[in-house]
Amino acid sequence: QKEVEQNSGPLSVPEGAIASLNCTYSDRVSQSFFWYRQYSGKSPELIMSIYSNGDKEDGRFTAQLNKASQYVSLLIRDSQPSDSATYLCAVDTGRRALTFGSGTRLQVQP
Amino acid sequence: KAGVTQTPRYLIKTRGQQVTLSCSPISGHRSVSWYQQTPGQGLQFLFEYFSETQRNKGNFPGRFSGRQFSNSRSEMNVSTLELGDSALYLCASSASSRYEQYFGPGTRLTVT
Repeated sequence: QKEVEQNSGPLSVPEGAIASLNCTYSDRVSQSFFWYRQYSGKSPELIMSIYSNGDKEDGRFTAQLNKASQYVSLLIRDSQPSDSATYLCAVDTGRRALTFGSGTRLQVQP
Repeated sequence: KAGVTQTPRYLIKTRGQQVTLSCSPISGHRSVSWYQQTPGQGLQFLFEYFSETQRNKGNFPGRFSGRQFSNSRSEMNVSTLELGDSALYLCASSASSRYEQYFGPGTRLTVT
């Protein structure tokens, strides 16, 4: 079992819709959770961090964390074609060594 | 603030050679981590440095090494290159008080 699991996609949503990206992790001592966006040929860009259970909102992005279920998600509201990218979920157990999922490819259809 | 910078951006080496990659963190960031990204294995942690000390190391052979200088700049070295070392090598920096890591543009290494 992989330590951080994501559906590889592609997840296809129409422009203006809500995109929901999910991630599960196996290590219960995981403390910090991150979502990165990676465009093709570019490096990962940090878009959200979350450390405690519940929701965290930043603009069109909402991260949700449920430590009991070992589940973290990212919602993108009013999806735009420019949001089309691979979204990487990353988990840190406190050692400052991020463990990444394989990423979910999001396609926003105009 | 300027972001994380990495040099060179692209590199082609021959099997058996060695290579050194350089990373300059965001000003004020003292932690530097290195990752390898390949299509097959995804993003994998190599090592992390803080105040010139390696604090953590991933599951990579000893051919992969690194160091950090007093100005927080970091280098990683790969000796005796293998074809499988072809990858995007990413450096990330973070402030000592926070966990968010910010990535540089990466160095694309091709081993022939």
